[in-house]
Amino acid sequence: AQSVAQPEDQVNVAEGNPLTVKCTYSVSGNPYLFWYVQYPNRGLQFLLKYITGDNLVKGSYGFEAEFNKSQTSFHLKKPSALVSDSALYFCAVRDPYYTGGFKTIFGAGTRLFVKA
Amino acid sequence: DAGITQSPRYKITETGRQVTLMCHQTWSHSYMFWYRQDLGHGLRLIYYSAAADITDKGEVPDGYVVSRSKTENFPLTLESATRSQTSVYFCASSAKNTEAFFGQGTRLTVV
Repeated sequence: AQSVAQPEDQVNVAEGNPLTVKCTYSVSGNPYLFWYVQYPNRGLQFLLKYITGDNLVKGSYGFEAEFNKSQTSFHLKKPSALVSDSALYFCAVRDPYYTGGFKTIFGAGTRLFVKA
Repeated sequence: DAGITQSPRYKITETGRQVTLMCHQTWSHSYMFWYRQDLGHGLRLIYYSAAADITDKGEVPDGYVVSRSKTENFPLTLESATRSQTSVYFCASSAKNTEAFFGQGTRLTVV
């Protein structure tokens, strides 16, 4: 069964510093991986995805993530954090080979606080 | 307008009542999903659908029923609401190799 883990409930970083939000996954085959962001009282907004190809994917708002198959990780990164990046971040995994088809599972979320 | 819409946005219901949350998408996406969001649990998949008349259970399906007679609609019904079903419910849709697009959510309170 597919699963995804976000080991940190909260990440604190100073504005201007690099940030990393961690995600590890478990699927039977090659995964589809996603990052979403949620601002207070809002739905989820898509940031970036890995389907195939280059292991480093770039997304919205200057975010990027690196797919590491050997470590089964897909950490979200940004070179220079902004206060406006403060939000709840979710990693998600989809197993395209699962017979049930396209069930997308989310992690528990990581709250990012960027201090001015 | 194109997109995915949920209704109602807010709902208060009593224990034991049946309640239906509506979800409508205009992209003709094949896949649709229902999630609930609870503090400390992130988003948990309730049910999903690969096409009209094809649905399957997710992580937490007990107490919920779905149907999908048309591609664009994916209603979620709580047959007999319980306090533990107080949550924020999100509907989402996606094409085969795309990300999921989420609705704004329905905040359901069961009293």
